[in-house]
Amino acid sequence: GAVVSQHPSRVICKSGTSVKIECRSLDFQATTMFWYRQFPKKSLMLMATSNEGSKATYEQGVEKDKFLINHASLTLSTLTVTSAHPEDSSFYICSAPGGGVSTDTQYFGPGTRLTVL
Amino acid sequence: GNSVTQMEGPVTLSEEAFLTINCTYTATGYPSLFWYVQYPGEGLQLLLKATKADDKGSNKGFEATYRKETTSFHLEKGSVQVSDSAVYFCALKLSGGGNKLTFGTGTQLKVEL
Repeated sequence: GAVVSQHPSRVICKSGTSVKIECRSLDFQATTMFWYRQFPKKSLMLMATSNEGSKATYEQGVEKDKFLINHASLTLSTLTVTSAHPEDSSFYICSAPGGGVSTDTQYFGPGTRLTVL
Repeated sequence: GNSVTQMEGPVTLSEEAFLTINCTYTATGYPSLFWYVQYPGEGLQLLLKATKADDKGSNKGFEATYRKETTSFHLEKGSVQVSDSAVYFCALKLSGGGNKLTFGTGTQLKVEL
């Protein structure tokens, strides 16, 4: 089946620095990708929809200037957490819908654990 | 708004036991319903889905039936295995809502010998 990768899998950074997380669709093209945030014992929270060739669409309450999203190509979307603070520590997950008859199916990356000290 | 409610875990079962993980939803319109599974160290994978009322999704021995009258999509398996240990997420997607998914909180299942 389709594979989505994320890099890095874990990152630790100091407060005030920026961190970039990559999401790649390895064997299919994705004009749309989704970024989620997962809190402990909580559901996945959709942060934004990344659109190739246009601006990302952010969910209500998500700061677009803090969580910068760039859909650089049909196989790559990046999420940059700017001026990170400890409260940004979380598990970030991306997904991409399958193509053809599989548009109903989302393929998820393995996630990135961000820890801000 | 749209929401999904799952039973809280963790759920611990012995191998070959019967599994039920409850899921109910609230949605405007007619959603598609999904169960995703997350094995340790891996990304979420689609387990099964149902797109309309009374549809039954099934895969790997797991089943779930879309019950519109009770707004439920409970996951069942007749005989669990140790390899089924994972976190299970119920989710919905509205028709006309793009590919946005609304997830439940996830239920951790641990199957012991």
